[in-house]
Amino acid sequence: SQELEQSPQSLIVQEGKNLTINCTSSKTLYGLYWYKQKYGEGLIFLMMLQKGGEEKSHEKITAKLDEKKQQSSLHITASQPSHAGIYLCGADNTGRRALTFGSGTRLQVQP
Amino acid sequence: DTAVSQTPKYLVTQMGNDKSIKCEQNLGHDTMYWYKQDSKKFLKIMFSYNNKELIINETVPNRFSPKSPDKAHLNLHINSLELGDSAVYFCASSQGDYSDTQYFGPGTRLTVL
Repeated sequence: SQELEQSPQSLIVQEGKNLTINCTSSKTLYGLYWYKQKYGEGLIFLMMLQKGGEEKSHEKITAKLDEKKQQSSLHITASQPSHAGIYLCGADNTGRRALTFGSGTRLQVQP
Repeated sequence: DTAVSQTPKYLVTQMGNDKSIKCEQNLGHDTMYWYKQDSKKFLKIMFSYNNKELIINETVPNRFSPKSPDKAHLNLHINSLELGDSAVYFCASSQGDYSDTQYFGPGTRLTVL
């Protein structure tokens, strides 16, 4: 099994709908990062969470961290076509800033 | 105004060749990284350098040698390329504190024929 599990692997939603992507680490979390990747492009930083219970928001995207469960969720409210892409969670499991990434969630938003 | 840039964006080469990928960041960061994204889209750390010093080397074959001429550059040299080296290679950088965000370059797609 992978060190970092993401679910679902892919998601198709209608524009305007809410959605949630989950990320679970099998190891201790020193930091949990969310990135977005468009096909053939680099990773765009969304948010970083460090403390248990921490919650951050940017525009319509909210991320939470459950430190005890070693889980994070990314929630998008009122999705738009511009939200489409691959969402990757990355975990720092050693404190050395070497990130391990999940396999990603491919999101499609249908107009 | 590109923060982290990589060259080339695409690289197609024959098995056995030696090639280099260059990375430059203009963010003033002191830590730089190389990641490999394989065909299954898993992104894995390869190396990290802090102030030109190797910090992390994650069981990468000796054929891969990072070189950091200065804090703003971290180049990746690959000797005797193999088919399995085909992947997208991402460079990233961050400022000193471990909690800081890593900013990624656009990636270099390497295809070994």
